Amino acid sequence: DIQMTQSPSSLSASVGDRVIITCRASQNIRTYLNWYQQKPGKAPKLLMYTASSLESGVPTRFSGGGSGADFTLTISSVQPEDFATYYCQQSYIAPYTFGLGTVLEI
Amino acid sequence: QVQLQESGPGLVKPSETLSLSCTVVSGSISNYYWSWIRQSPGKGLEWIGSIDYSGSTNYIPSLMGRVTISIDTSNNQFSLALISVTAGDSALYYCARWNAAAGYYFDSWGQGILVAVSS
Repeated sequence: DIQMTQSPSSLSASVGDRVIITCRASQNIRTYLNWYQQKPGKAPKLLMYTASSLESGVPTRFSGGGSGADFTLTISSVQPEDFATYYCQQSYIAPYTFGLGTVLEI
Repeated sequence: QVQLQESGPGLVKPSETLSLSCTVVSGSISNYYWSWIRQSPGKGLEWIGSIDYSGSTNYIPSLMGRVTISIDTSNNQFSLALISVTAGDSALYYCARWNAAAGYYFDSWGQGILVAVSS
């Protein structure tokens, strides 16, 4: 199975900060990398797919990059509603695996 | 956006079968793949398996032999059956749509159903 490693596991930020979350795959997954946001008591929500494509309706302050094994999710200016847990997920090959998450805290 | 709704018992006894259904509301079950994903404090988010509208399935190897996903296109539903459950199968179970149109990703999720395995 492909292992997905996220860093940091938690991150403190203030409103307006630029935040970068990284995700590393245990092998080359090309750009088959997705990002999800999860708030307490809610299901994960798709933010980015194929590494850098923004899901419809997601604010443009979110951006993604990378290819191969190393990826980033950037929030250009954190807003109050962005405090949540973020997960990366590889869709290169089954079983489709997730990272353990990054908690973005105030 | 398609909406998904999970249903089923919230408590299952050890060694019995966990059975959940997911209804695709306000959308068609055709031409997509449909998945079950679970989330627990110990394992995080774990993809269980997927099925397409023709009934072709794909499962996580660690659950092979215990898991079956089926689809009922006439009722816009798909289901999960997990046999011989243990406490390790206690989790929040989500159904989700696996979109393979412009990449591969879970673009719609149900709200989740919490299942506890306990006597």
